[in-house]
Amino acid sequence: DVKVTQSSRYLVKRTGEKVFLECVQDMDHENMFWYRQDPGLGLRLIYFSYDVKMKEKGDIPEGYSVSREKKERFSLILESASTNQTSMYLCASSEFSGNTIYFGEGSWLTVV
Amino acid sequence: QKEVEQDPGPLSVPEGAIVSLNCTYSNSAFQYFMWYRQYSRKGPELLMYTYSSGNKEDGRFTAQVDKSSKYISLFIRDSQPSDSATYLCAMSLERSYGNNRLAFGKGNQVVVIP
Repeated sequence: DVKVTQSSRYLVKRTGEKVFLECVQDMDHENMFWYRQDPGLGLRLIYFSYDVKMKEKGDIPEGYSVSREKKERFSLILESASTNQTSMYLCASSEFSGNTIYFGEGSWLTVV
Repeated sequence: QKEVEQDPGPLSVPEGAIVSLNCTYSNSAFQYFMWYRQYSRKGPELLMYTYSSGNKEDGRFTAQVDKSSKYISLFIRDSQPSDSATYLCAMSLERSYGNNRLAFGKGNQVVVIP
């Protein structure tokens, strides 16, 4: 079974803090994704990566950056957290030519 | 027009009833169609996956795709309280290497009442 692991399930951070969300997958997938999910807005793609050190902006990249130094690990960085970034963040992965993606359990971030 | 439309619900049904969910889409180039199930405070899990038009059955679950109408459906027979979750539809284009972004519906909340 595909396993996508998000290291932090629940975080509370202060406005202006730098926040790291870590994600690891164990299926040797080339593609990795970060989404956020908000009530009424559904899933929105923040960034994705199809190779080590490669990244592409999704639909809502503002206020976020990512890092992919190793194939199995994809990090989402909030340089200066703001209250409007309070959300559930979902990491996902897929094969390079795969048409389905597999999600982690999610990280609930509250910015106060 | 949104790329994928899905009625958010909630949809409440008695235990044992058939649950019917659907999504419409605007991009006729979509070829792969998926349904994800998401329990409260969990990540979505892949439930059903179909390619192009037709039906696919897996236990109590049936997925249908009608590309001519740009309409996909998910049916859950003999619904159980454990089926209470949010169901998201998703779709993607023919394989495009290195860029296989999915288009998601917003999700439909289902509650099965014992």
